[in-house]
Amino acid sequence: NFMLTQPHSVSESPGKTVTISCTRSSGSIASNYVQWYQQRPGSAPTTVIYEDNQRPSGVPDRFSGSIDSSSNSASLTISGLKTEDEADYYCQSYDSSTNWVFGGGTKLTVL
Amino acid sequence: EVQLVQSGAEVKKPGESLKISCKGSGYSFTSYWIGWVRQMPGKGLEWMGIIYPGDSDTRYSPSFQGQVTISADKSISTAYLQWSSLKASDTAMYYCARKVEAVAGIDYWGQGTLVTVSS
Repeated sequence: NFMLTQPHSVSESPGKTVTISCTRSSGSIASNYVQWYQQRPGSAPTTVIYEDNQRPSGVPDRFSGSIDSSSNSASLTISGLKTEDEADYYCQSYDSSTNWVFGGGTKLTVL
Repeated sequence: EVQLVQSGAEVKKPGESLKISCKGSGYSFTSYWIGWVRQMPGKGLEWMGIIYPGDSDTRYSPSFQGQVTISADKSISTAYLQWSSLKASDTAMYYCARKVEAVAGIDYWGQGTLVTVSS
């Protein structure tokens, strides 16, 4: 089993770029795809990145995902920040015994 | 259009039983795993378990094994999450979600069902 660790919170100004990290505790980050979910206050999560770096239709190209084997982590980068991007973001990967593994979530504040 | 529509909010007393539902539409319900995810107030997402409606193969998170029961009725494209005896600590939002097999992730989420357990 492994854990995914995210920063509790990040903040940045509108128009800037922010990156949220997701570090895998054991095993290779590349061994299972990483997804990212956005959860706005009072709403259900939605998928913003799947398969490490793919965007579902309807998700703006300001959102991008990547993985870095050297740091065993995944990252979600949001460029051209808008106030509507303010939300909680969760990374998720897969473990054969525990199925979906979620990171603890990162609260993004756009101030 | 793929949709997962969950049953409405519930208010229950400790010790009562409960079954909440998640109805899928717009796709072949029997061909995708449906999982359940708990979100306690102010907290993160936790995987509870998952079911394949095609053959009712079910897996549980060790944290939830024995605490809940997941089932499905493929004739009405609906998955269920049930408790036999609720506790105050079961107060949470519960989401169903469809698994994408190729990436072992989620592509569609239900809108959530808020369960409140209070005496």
